[in-house]
Amino acid sequence: ELKVEQNPLFLSMQEGKNYTIYCNYSTTSDRLYWYRQDPGKSLESLFVLLSNGAVKQEGRLMASLDTKARLSTLHITAAVHDLSATYFCAVDLNNAGNMLTFGGGTRLMVKP
Amino acid sequence: DTAVSQTPKYLVTQMGNDKSIKCEQNLGHDTMYWYKQDSKKFLKIMFSYNNKELIINETVPNRFSPKSPDKAHLNLHINSLELGDSAVYFCASSRMTGVSYNSPLHFGNGTRLTVT
Repeated sequence: ELKVEQNPLFLSMQEGKNYTIYCNYSTTSDRLYWYRQDPGKSLESLFVLLSNGAVKQEGRLMASLDTKARLSTLHITAAVHDLSATYFCAVDLNNAGNMLTFGGGTRLMVKP
Repeated sequence: DTAVSQTPKYLVTQMGNDKSIKCEQNLGHDTMYWYKQDSKKFLKIMFSYNNKELIINETVPNRFSPKSPDKAHLNLHINSLELGDSAVYFCASSRMTGVSYNSPLHFGNGTRLTVT
């Protein structure tokens, strides 16, 4: 059974600081996704990582994938309050895009 | 233009009742899904349909029955509702499946089901 673990589960940080969220998974997969969820809202796709060594950046967020280590990271640079949300990673179990297993989510609070 | 729309947004009902949640996508996607998010925000896939055919059915009680009249719609019917069914149910869709897949899921806004 595929297990996807994120840490930390909760992160409170000051504006302007940097931090990294980690996503570990237990079985082979070349596809990993990051999503953002605001309270009471839907999930919004942030990044799609499709191969070992993939790195993608959007604004203050950068995601990377190491399939050998079964690890993805979401790095936050110079955090701002608007980044406060819950971030989920999801791993594609069979590389076919129809079986995503989600991590437990990391709730990020950025304090002004 | 709402890409994936679910109705209702909120659903409060009593134990033992039967209820349905509707989902429609206007993205032209081939595959649709139902996910359940519990009170701890944990998301788990329930069903996946590709072109109206069921391709994934996780260990979901038989009381849950998805119905896909066409590839743009995937409804979820729940019989004999129980307290443990209280959760947020998300519908989602994606462009295609298979090894060339690289499109993320597009989620609806969720239906918050409360069973009393």
